Amino acid sequence: DQQVKQNSPSLSVQEGRISILNCDYTNSMFDYFLWYKKYPAEGPTFLISISSIKDKNEDGRFTVFLNKSAKHLSLHIVPSQPGDSAVYFCAASLGSYQKVTFGTGTKLQVIP
Amino acid sequence: ETGVTQSPTHLIKTRGQQVTLRCSSQSGHNTVSWYQQALGQGPQFIFQYYREEENGRGNFPPRFSGLQFPNYSSELNVNALELDDSALYLCASSPGQGRETQYFGPGTRLLVL
Repeated sequence: DQQVKQNSPSLSVQEGRISILNCDYTNSMFDYFLWYKKYPAEGPTFLISISSIKDKNEDGRFTVFLNKSAKHLSLHIVPSQPGDSAVYFCAASLGSYQKVTFGTGTKLQVIP
Repeated sequence: ETGVTQSPTHLIKTRGQQVTLRCSSQSGHNTVSWYQQALGQGPQFIFQYYREEENGRGNFPPRFSGLQFPNYSSELNVNALELDDSALYLCASSPGQGRETQYFGPGTRLLVL
């Protein structure tokens, strides 16, 4: 049972435009959500997180939005840069427990 | 500051064999988690160690076992290898077992023939 779903395996965006990556989850007990970025031959790198008590968190060009009623979160990258080309994983956890449930990833390509 | 390192980078084994994968945590980190990432999938949590004790486990059979040493380095052992164990194995360390950021190593690619 896939509790965290990323339904778009890939996304292409022009440099300078906005990239929007989407994620849905089924377990309403999740209370902490994260986005990781992964380049080939490297491990995932933490990007940004959001607690379930918030609906938005911003860090520079990256903003994560959380819609608890829809069990949906999204990552916005503005403006997109070629160096953002990577696989992005949405992830979720519950309580203070560090077990993290990952989605299947979305491969983002930013075209110069 | 040295990041998380894993060895070996690649490994080929045959079905039924046993394998040991190693992970060196980032300096100052006392918590390590192991993940399995099958092709086309996201990482799946195997287990976590905190100060040498197992601190949680995902849906993996007992033939997946681990150790954490006093220097906080870690091993993942898999017995009786199956073809489906072919995957990228990632370890991640963090300075605590709460919501501190996990830092991932580059992984070990295991192929079981």
